Amino acid sequence: AQSVTQLGSHVSVSEGALVLLRCNYSSSVPPYLFWYVQYPNQGLQLLLKYTSAATLVKGINGFEAEFKKSETSFHLTKPSAHMSDAAEYFCAVSTAGTASKLTFGTGTRLQVTL
Amino acid sequence: GAVVSQHPSWVICKSGTSVKIECRSLDFQATTMFWYRQFPKQSLMLMATSNEGSKATYEQGVEKDKFLINHASLTLSTLTVTSAHPEDSSFYICSAPSSGLRVEQYFGPGTRLTVT
Repeated sequence: AQSVTQLGSHVSVSEGALVLLRCNYSSSVPPYLFWYVQYPNQGLQLLLKYTSAATLVKGINGFEAEFKKSETSFHLTKPSAHMSDAAEYFCAVSTAGTASKLTFGTGTRLQVTL
Repeated sequence: GAVVSQHPSWVICKSGTSVKIECRSLDFQATTMFWYRQFPKQSLMLMATSNEGSKATYEQGVEKDKFLINHASLTLSTLTVTSAHPEDSSFYICSAPSSGLRVEQYFGPGTRLTVT
C-alpha cells in the first residue's frame, strides 16, 4: 500500500517569498506523484506530476517539484509567492499510472501575506 | 483541455431521503471514474472506482448499499446516497482519466451535500 505525508497543515509566507510545501511518500513500487491545488469550494487542479522521467518537474503557475528517491520526497516549491497562490495544496501518489486511483495527503493550506 | 462536470454543485436534502450526483466527462470517454469524499478541512478519501458496464469497486469501509454507483455510459457515472443522514454531509468529488497517448486525470468541481 502507498501513503503520503504532508508536513505542516498550514504554511504562511510573505508575498514574494519562497514557497516550500513538503511531501513524503511511501510506496513499495515506483510511484507516480502529483501535486494538486484546491481553491475554496472547487475541485482539484493539477499543478504538476512525476512519472519517472525527469526528477525535476515544472508545473503551472511557476511551481516545480523535485523527486528524491533517497529521501522519498516530492516537495513543492515556488521562488516567489503571489497572493493568488493562497489555497489548499494536496500531494498524491499512484502506483499504477496517471489513470489510476490516487492516495492523497492531508493537505497544506498556504497563506500569503502582504 | 478535457472537462469533467458534476451536477448538482450543491444540494440539501432531508434525513432519510436519497440524492443522486452525476459525474460527466464532457469531451472524452471514460471507462473508469473515481468517487472521492472530502470532509471539511480534510483530505480526499477514495470511496469507489466506477467501471463502465460492470459493478463498481468499493474501498474498504464504504457501504456499497448506501452509496450506489452506476456507470451506464462512457461519459456518465452517478453516485446515489441512499437514506442519507447528517453524517453523510460532505464534499463529493469525481475524477476521470482520459485515454490516448497522453493520459491525464481530470477532476470535477465537486458536489456539496448537506443532509438536514
